Amino acid sequence: EAGVAQSPRYKIIEKRQSVAFWCNPISGHATLYWYQQILGQGPKLLIQFQNNGVVDDSQLPKDRFSAERLKGVDSTLKIQPAKLEDSAVYLCASSRESGRESYEQYFGPGTRLTVT
Amino acid sequence: EDQVTQSPEALRLQEGESSSLNCSYTVSGLRGLFWYRQDPGKGPEFLFTLYSAGEEKEKERLKATLTKKESFLHITAPKPEDSATYLCAVQRNNNAGNMLTFGGGTRLMVKP
Repeated sequence: EAGVAQSPRYKIIEKRQSVAFWCNPISGHATLYWYQQILGQGPKLLIQFQNNGVVDDSQLPKDRFSAERLKGVDSTLKIQPAKLEDSAVYLCASSRESGRESYEQYFGPGTRLTVT
Repeated sequence: EDQVTQSPEALRLQEGESSSLNCSYTVSGLRGLFWYRQDPGKGPEFLFTLYSAGEEKEKERLKATLTKKESFLHITAPKPEDSATYLCAVQRNNNAGNMLTFGGGTRLMVKP
């Protein structure tokens, strides 16, 4: 079974530029998550989709971050404009359909973003 | 607000020297407590889910236990390949979003 795919793996941009990350979840997984992991810290949830609807985006800085999941499969996370403090690893994860059951989340390799 | 605190932040062990990692949590109604392993440059890899106090799960040299306030990850006779960051996360009951709240992790280094 193929895992969660993410691209690019690394990205370096200057502050105020824009950047986009792509994620392809495990086949059949209805739920997709984007996390931000700052160096030395645990991952922090940014947004969760179930199929192509947003379930939780309470921690997403909506003035600069946006995300979409078209057709309930792939997802894109965008930052515009980027700030220095956005330097982090952006992790995508997927799980079986959420709800009352607690299913483990499977993570992709992440995209390491450096903002200079 | 859910809180997860892991200790120690870093742990150095000699190969074969058993030890435990601690995860203290505060959550209003625990649905599940998750342990993940993260290698440098990679995403977290799922290890265990624990659901209720008293539950234990094992995988190779790892054993996870759960109380009402803490979880422990016991590592028996570790090998250098066990070196990684171990992350603990909680999921709240009545959380339709299934959000995980992670701790800061324990960085484990096992020397041969």
